[in-house]
Parts: sequence; C-alpha cells; structure tokens
Amino acid sequence: ILNVEQSPQSLHVQEGDSTNFTCSFPSSNFYALHWYRWETAKSPEALFVMTLNGDEKKKGRISATLNTKEGYSYLYIKGSQPEDSATYLCAPRRAGNTGKLIFGQGTTLQVKP
Amino acid sequence: EAQVTQNPRYLITVTGKKLTVTCSQNMNHEYMSWYRQDPGLGLRQIYYSMNVEVTDKGDVPEGYKVSRKEKRNFPLILESPSPNQTSLYFCASTDRANGYTFGSGTRLTVV
Repeated sequence: ILNVEQSPQSLHVQEGDSTNFTCSFPSSNFYALHWYRWETAKSPEALFVMTLNGDEKKKGRISATLNTKEGYSYLYIKGSQPEDSATYLCAPRRAGNTGKLIFGQGTTLQVKP
Repeated sequence: EAQVTQNPRYLITVTGKKLTVTCSQNMNHEYMSWYRQDPGLGLRQIYYSMNVEVTDKGDVPEGYKVSRKEKRNFPLILESPSPNQTSLYFCASTDRANGYTFGSGTRLTVV
C-alpha cells in the first residue's frame, strides 16, 4: 500500500498570509501526483495533475511543485483569503496501476478574516 | 455541464435491506471509481472500472458490488448493508490524463 503523508494536518492563518503544505509519497514507480481542494459540504475538486520532476503548476494564487526523485510536492497559497478555507488532498498515482489514486488524509486550512 | 451525478444524496436504511447508489457521468470517461470517506481514514477506494464490463476491487471491497453495463453508469450495490457501511460515498470519473471529477456524495446511514 502506498504511504501518503500530508503535513501539517491543520493550519490556521490570517487573511493575507501566505502558506504552504507538504505531500510526501514513495518515489518508486511514480506516474503522477494529483492535488484536490475539498470544501466543507462539497465534493473534492481537482486543482493540479503533475507528472514531471521539477513540474510547477499555478492556478490563480495557488501553485504547486513536484520532486519525484525524493517523493514530495508542495502546495503554496499566496495571500490567503477566507474562501481558500478547505481541506487540500494530495493523491499519487503509480505507474501501471490502472489509474488508481491513493489519497492522503489532507491538510485542513482555515483562513480567518 | 460536465458532471458526475450520484443519487440519492442522503439515505437511511436498515441492516440487511439491499440498496443501490447510482452514479452517472456525461463526459464519456472510461475510468470510474467509488470511494468511501470515514473520519480519520481519508478517501478509500471500494471498486473501480476501466471500461464497460471491466471492474476490479479497490482497497475496501467487502460488502459491495458494482456493475458497468454502460459507459456512463457505475452503480454501487450493497446486497446486505451493515452498520459499518455507514459512511460518505463518492463516485468519480476521469479520462486518466486529467484529475478526477467527483459526484456530490451520498451520505449513507445503516441502522
């Protein structure tokens, strides 16, 4: 079973702060790394799918980087806003495993106005 | 609008009474999957399907069945529900090049 660890488990920041969290995963047989945002009472929404070592993706104030050799990815949020409050999930996919994702337990972000 | 539709959103049932949670996607995705979400355990895969008539077990398949007779539909069947199947269930689909699209979830309570 793929061991996916996300840290911190939860985070409270003030509006305007920038923040980042980590996803760690085994680097062997890596194929892709997914990030999702999951707001309370909604369903997870895809943010990024990253495949190449050194990949960096950006969507508005949110960006992510990927290091496949050492098995980690960082998610950054610049100038956090209350609407960024959500749980952020990462999910690696291994090569040859039919598309299956293994989800981490997430980092829950609370942004205070 | 591209979407995954799950029904029902909420369901309370009794132990042993067979039920089906429906899932339908309109994106022509080949890959579909069912997950359950439990506190402290995260999203765990129950079953997945790579195409019509091709299904396989995920990490927690016990007590569940699925079928994929058409590309758009992937129902989850609980033949004899038990209280430990009380959970929040999500159906998801993908073309595997992009992220998953999730349904809105089904909150199931088995008493």
